[in-house]
Amino acid sequence: EPEVTQTPSHQVTQMGQEVILRCVPISNHLYFYWYRQILGQKVEFLVSFYNNEISEKSEIFDDQFSVERPDGSNFTLKIRSTKLEDSAMYFCASSVEGNEKLFFGSGTQLSVL
Amino acid sequence: SQQGEEDPQALSIQEGENATMNCSYKTSINNLQWYRQNSGRGLVHLILIRSNEREKHSGRLRVTLDTSKKSSSLLITASRAADTASYFCATAVWGSYKLIFGSGTRLLVRP
Repeated sequence: EPEVTQTPSHQVTQMGQEVILRCVPISNHLYFYWYRQILGQKVEFLVSFYNNEISEKSEIFDDQFSVERPDGSNFTLKIRSTKLEDSAMYFCASSVEGNEKLFFGSGTQLSVL
Repeated sequence: SQQGEEDPQALSIQEGENATMNCSYKTSINNLQWYRQNSGRGLVHLILIRSNEREKHSGRLRVTLDTSKKSSSLLITASRAADTASYFCATAVWGSYKLIFGSGTRLLVRP
């Protein structure tokens, strides 16, 4: 069965450093998303991406965050200058239809020290 | 309560019993979905019910939706130890691409 793959599974970084989280969505999917889950808290929406542009973003997704689909297969989330509070599990997801039946990757655990 | 709140927060049952989880939400929705998350893993889509539907089945899963009460329930029949996981409802509203997740129900199925 096709799956969404995310790399790395764990990322440790120093506060203020830039990180790039990578995702390969399912190939025939058209909608792409990033969500995050801080330990013990709810899964939170960050951003959705469709037709090579951001379709919606949350208040969390400020100027420090950006997304890119550089080559038609990868989908990346960049955090320019990480903060301690960015520590979380970051999930990439994709879907055929917008907002229906999302397929999630296994996540990248980001730890900012 | 906030959009997408589940109860109970935790549920412990014996294998073979049925498990029922409830979800309440506040705003009008397009659809409501249930996801499962095994510890430390990604979320797996279980079932989607649209706002004009009242009940849906998939294998051992039964979902109901009451839009007048803004609530949904997920029933897992004949539970198995492998059903042990956290279960989340997620609501989709009209005109938005985001899912709003609840805080989840942690289900433990004892062998």
